[in-house]
Amino acid sequence: GENVEQHPSTLSVQEGDSAVIKCTYSDSASNYFPWYKQELGKRPQLIIDIRSNVGEKKDQRIAVTLNKTAKHFSLHITETQPEDSAVYFCAASIGAGGGADGLTFGKGTHLIIQP
Amino acid sequence: DTEVTQTPKHLVMGMTNKKSLKCEQHMGHRAMYWYKQKAKKPPELMFVYSYEKLSINESVPSRFSPECPNSSLLNLHLHALQPEDSALYLCASSQDPRTDTQYFGPGTRLTVL
Repeated sequence: GENVEQHPSTLSVQEGDSAVIKCTYSDSASNYFPWYKQELGKRPQLIIDIRSNVGEKKDQRIAVTLNKTAKHFSLHITETQPEDSAVYFCAASIGAGGGADGLTFGKGTHLIIQP
Repeated sequence: DTEVTQTPKHLVMGMTNKKSLKCEQHMGHRAMYWYKQKAKKPPELMFVYSYEKLSINESVPSRFSPECPNSSLLNLHLHALQPEDSALYLCASSQDPRTDTQYFGPGTRLTVL
């Protein structure tokens, strides 16, 4: 089955600086890569996703890049703000063509924004 | 309605009890999922329903029994649970089995005594 590795487990950055979280996946058939943000005691919330036919996607301060050859994808947050503090999970899914597929998650990154 | 809802929010049960978790969505989504999340860990997939049929069961013990009565509802029946089953149980849905974007409900925090 799919295996997703995520690094770092904890990331502390100064407010206003950028944060980068990296993930690798094992199954070359995976074709969908979402990122979720989870605040303490709350549900995971989708913040951005990318499909394997795209190399990069951006939404305001958040961007995701995908390297299919190397089987890794990254989340980039620019101009970090205190409300960005949370646990971020990457995930991968084989999906499409054959039935619903669940997500395999990385272990998570605790992002701390220092004021 | 653009939300996935779950009831109850919290549940405490003994090891001999039978209880059920409920998940509902009115977005017309045709795929629904159960995940289990332990503290400081990522969600782990338990079951997938595609067009109201169970399509994936990730080797979950039989004390967890899913049910999809219709396209909007997903239940998880619990019986003879163990203390290690205490966790946050998350439901998610996606538009159809070919669309991977999954939206999560708020979860039910389960404590087994």
